Amino acid sequence: GAVVSQHPSRVICKSGTSVKIECRSLDFQATTMFWYRQFPKQSLMLMATSNEGSKATYEQGVEKDKFLINHASLTLSTLTVTSAHPEDSSFYICSASEDFTNYGYTFGSGTRLTVV
Amino acid sequence: GENVEQHPSTLSVQEGDSAVIKCTYSDSASNYFPWYKQELGKRPQLIIDIRSNVGEKKDQRIAVTLNKTAKHFSLHITETQPEDSAVYFCAASSNAGGTSYGKLTFGQGTILTVHP
Repeated sequence: GAVVSQHPSRVICKSGTSVKIECRSLDFQATTMFWYRQFPKQSLMLMATSNEGSKATYEQGVEKDKFLINHASLTLSTLTVTSAHPEDSSFYICSASEDFTNYGYTFGSGTRLTVV
Repeated sequence: GENVEQHPSTLSVQEGDSAVIKCTYSDSASNYFPWYKQELGKRPQLIIDIRSNVGEKKDQRIAVTLNKTAKHFSLHITETQPEDSAVYFCAASSNAGGTSYGKLTFGQGTILTVHP
């Protein structure tokens, strides 16, 4: 089945620094990937849609200059949290689909970000 | 955009009883409705899904029903077991064109506890 690899699984960083999270589709090509954020005891909230070879589409209220998304190839999307603050601490998850019409979505394992 | 409402937020049942979780959606273009089980700190796991061309789908102890006219769908778990205890999310997406293409919108989640 389709596999999406996400790294790192956990990261602790200092306030003001930047953190990069990678999401790779291992056995299929993904022209579109999605990035979600999940705060404790809450649902997954879509942050942005990552499109290969073009700019990401951000959901309302998500700062595009703070959450930089790069989708440089058909198998890799990266999310960079810039100038991180404690309120950015959250669980970040990516998802992708080979063909969501027929196969649904595959999720990465998630990244637990803690900003201290 | 799509809005998915999920109820109840918590559900406590005795082992062997049935559990029902209900969701409503707002976008009539939505045509794919997955249900996910998520354990703490883990990625969502697809447990069952349904597409808009069918009204019901069953997989062993799990079933999902869809009422397109009323825009609601439900998850039914029979003969519950303690290992069914987790957070369950419903979601909806559309493969119609436009800015919502492929976006998966989640419900708020239901914490299911199955008591031995």
